[in-house]
Amino acid sequence: GENVEQHPSTLSVQEGDSAVIKCTYSDSASNYFPWYKQELGKGPQLIIDIRSNVGEKKDQRIAVTLNKTAKHFSLHITETQPEDSAVYFCAASKGNNAGNMLTFGGGTRLMVKP
Amino acid sequence: NAGVTQTPKFQVLKTGQSMTLQCAQDMNHNSMYWYRQDPGMGLRLIYYSASEGTTDKGEVPNGYNVSRLNKREFSLRLESAAPSQTSVYFCASSRDNGAYGYTFGSGTRLTVV
Repeated sequence: GENVEQHPSTLSVQEGDSAVIKCTYSDSASNYFPWYKQELGKGPQLIIDIRSNVGEKKDQRIAVTLNKTAKHFSLHITETQPEDSAVYFCAASKGNNAGNMLTFGGGTRLMVKP
Repeated sequence: NAGVTQTPKFQVLKTGQSMTLQCAQDMNHNSMYWYRQDPGMGLRLIYYSASEGTTDKGEVPNGYNVSRLNKREFSLRLESAAPSQTSVYFCASSRDNGAYGYTFGSGTRLTVV
């Protein structure tokens, strides 16, 4: 089955700096890659996703890039703010066939220091 | 727009007691999931229901049972709680399996003493 590895497990940055979280996946048939943000005491929330027919997607200060050849994708947060502090999860799936569920990475705890 | 609603939010059980965690979604999603999240760890899939009327085991199903009561509701039952089941439990739903993002509930924090 699919295996998703996420690095780093913790990341500390200064407010205003950029943060990058990287994930690799094992199944070349995977074609959907969402990212989730989990704030303390809450459930994960989808913040951005990308499908395999595009290489990059942006939404204000966050962007995701996908390299299908290398089987890795990354989350980029620019101009970080204290409210970006949270645990971030990447995930991958092969799409909408029965049984093709999301496989999650292990998570990255991002701390933005004021 | 409630999304995914989980009850209760907190629960303390004694070892050997049973309980059912409730989950309901109002987005007309086909698929529903139960995850557990232990301190410092990621999300581990307990059971899932790809569509109404079907349920399947995930990564860590031992000690749990599930019921997909209807399209909206998916419950998780602990028949005989053990301290190892102390965790935060999340229910999630999606339009169809992994083709679209999941919507998570706010979680149930369960402590078994």
